[in-house]
Amino acid sequence: AQKVTQAQTEISVVEKEDVTLDCVYETRDTTYYLFWYKQPPSGELVFLIRRNSFDEQNEISGRYSWNFQKSTSSFNFTITASQVVDSAVYFCALNPSYNTDKLIFGTGTRLQVFP
Amino acid sequence: NAGVTQTPKFRVLKTGQSMTLLCAQDMNHEYMYWYRQDPGMGLRLIHYSVGEGTTAKGEVPDGYNVSRLKNQNFLLGLESAAPSQTSVYFCASRDPGQMNTEAFFGQGTRLTVV
Repeated sequence: AQKVTQAQTEISVVEKEDVTLDCVYETRDTTYYLFWYKQPPSGELVFLIRRNSFDEQNEISGRYSWNFQKSTSSFNFTITASQVVDSAVYFCALNPSYNTDKLIFGTGTRLQVFP
Repeated sequence: NAGVTQTPKFRVLKTGQSMTLLCAQDMNHEYMYWYRQDPGMGLRLIHYSVGEGTTAKGEVPDGYNVSRLKNQNFLLGLESAAPSQTSVYFCASRDPGQMNTEAFFGQGTRLTVV
């Protein structure tokens, strides 16, 4: 099966708290690609990061960091010192194989950051 | 720098009416996609195309048809709209390349079928 699971439907935090959004994926292939997108209240989808299955290094971009663990098929996203502007729906997505055209999304996690 | 443009942005249809959603991209991407977004369901793939003249079914294709007559345009048609097709529709395009680049999305079309 090719699937992305975001078990957290909604998370609420207070500003400056750290928060982790979970993403678990399923694919049979050894070469695949993972993505995170942000959908702010305005509705557009904003690309955040891409990761291929051969690169297990964690990545940090400002307050954002990503933890990719093939052993647990997870690609989790952490926001450090959250801000109100981080309030959005966050989607994890999978391109499950090197030779497939599909981009499969999880159901999303709604993050609300309160002042 | 337009990127991916969807028209219209909003539409209300009566049950049984037909309509076409237009997606245009100016990045010369080969791959184009139509998704629908419903509460609690995330983004579900309706149809997609890997190049001019090609189309393929996604996970929820029933009730929709698509055409890709030109590389830059991808049309989504509803022949006989149903209330279950009330949703927000997103078009996306992608250049597959060798590194499986990210998809670029349009602003979305909010469709209500009454």
